[in-house]
Amino acid sequence: KAGVTQTPRYLIKTRGQQVTLSCSPISGHRSVSWYQQTPGQGLQFLFEYFSETQRNKGNFPGRFSGRQFSNSRSEMNVSTLELGDSALYLCASSFGQGIYGYTFGSGTRLTVV
Amino acid sequence: GEDVEQSLFLSVREGDSSVINCTYTDSSSTYLYWYKQEPGAGLQLLTYIFSNMDMKQDQRLTVLLNKKDKHLSLRIADTQTGDSAIYFCAETGGGADGLTFGKGTHLIIQP
Repeated sequence: KAGVTQTPRYLIKTRGQQVTLSCSPISGHRSVSWYQQTPGQGLQFLFEYFSETQRNKGNFPGRFSGRQFSNSRSEMNVSTLELGDSALYLCASSFGQGIYGYTFGSGTRLTVV
Repeated sequence: GEDVEQSLFLSVREGDSSVINCTYTDSSSTYLYWYKQEPGAGLQLLTYIFSNMDMKQDQRLTVLLNKKDKHLSLRIADTQTGDSAIYFCAETGGGADGLTFGKGTHLIIQP
């Protein structure tokens, strides 16, 4: 079956702009979570959605937001981009609260210039 | 906050066994995972173990969990050049906690 699909694969934005990233989970998975990966901070949890509801949020400013649709697809949005937002953004889906692990997509590489 | 610690680098000879270690601080960790990341790629789930287990074996991979010491290890038998990657240890208490990752261990294979 198809894996977790993230689009776009690469993105270049200018400081101050906003960006929307998309994630399509594995069919049947209702939980979608987002992570930011940077060389300095490593992998950090952004937020987790289940059945269109945000259940938890990591320690990120309000410029980072997300949503989940009825088909479990998720989007995350970053407003007023800063240079420090340059990172690999990874989406993960799971069947049931991670009991069988989280399957990650290939990520979206965001560069802010 | 909760923390997961790993060594940054491990160098092994091709054909030998690799042992990657991880320690965590969250006593409520329920699920523990090992992920592999190759250059330019996302994270590949290698294996996972529940906190009520001591060991799990899956082909060349063996996971050992010492819950008392909060220590997790991943042994890769007969290490090959294709095993060269960054290996991440991660834990979660379950529910909507999200994963807490270590910084990753770069596995370097010497011919």
